[in-house]
Amino acid sequence: DGGITQSPKYLFRKEGQNVTLSCEQNLNHDAMYWYRQDPGQGLRLIYYSQIVNDFQKGDIAEGYSVSREKKESFPLTVTSAQKNPTAFYLCASSIAGLRGYGYTFGSGTRLTVV
Amino acid sequence: KQEVTQIPAALSVPEGENLVLNCSFTDSAIYNLQWFRQDPGKGLTSLLLIQSSQREQTSGRLNASLDKSSGRSTLYIAASQPGDSATYLCAVIDRGSTLGRLYFGRGTQLTVWP
Repeated sequence: DGGITQSPKYLFRKEGQNVTLSCEQNLNHDAMYWYRQDPGQGLRLIYYSQIVNDFQKGDIAEGYSVSREKKESFPLTVTSAQKNPTAFYLCASSIAGLRGYGYTFGSGTRLTVV
Repeated sequence: KQEVTQIPAALSVPEGENLVLNCSFTDSAIYNLQWFRQDPGKGLTSLLLIQSSQREQTSGRLNASLDKSSGRSTLYIAASQPGDSATYLCAVIDRGSTLGRLYFGRGTQLTVWP
């Protein structure tokens, strides 16, 4: 079955560490996105990519970095510059340019700073 | 900037009731509107996608309507069951963005008790 796989499900980060969240899709979607979800707030866009080797900052990109070397993969690195990284992170994909087809989401990664 | 509001923020009902969840958005220039369900600690599951040219979509006990001119959508759940307990999120894809990004409401947390 086609879908989006996020790993790990839970991740713990020490102060000053960089950590990388994985997102893989087999839907043949061109566009991929990273959202952050905090309690009581709506989802906020971190980064997005419409094609391989291209990505753009979203609303809250500071302290995060991404790469898009393959169509199927869009990993997110949470750097030590992100001062409040504890949150639930969601990856999504869509058919770029066909905005009537909606988004598909992964099951999320919960990141906690220890 | 597009703003999406969901009312009520929380709803608790006995099993069997018919429910209406409300979503409003400030800019009617959208490509489509998507309703999602989120269980605690999980990712988003797409429930219904309404194209901007459509007025409603139905899936089983769920019916979603869209009134673009007034900037409103409703999600109707018939004969609610305890398994419907979850947070329901409304999101629009905005024509004003070259990305076609999703704008989310903060959700309605639904509890259906036996």
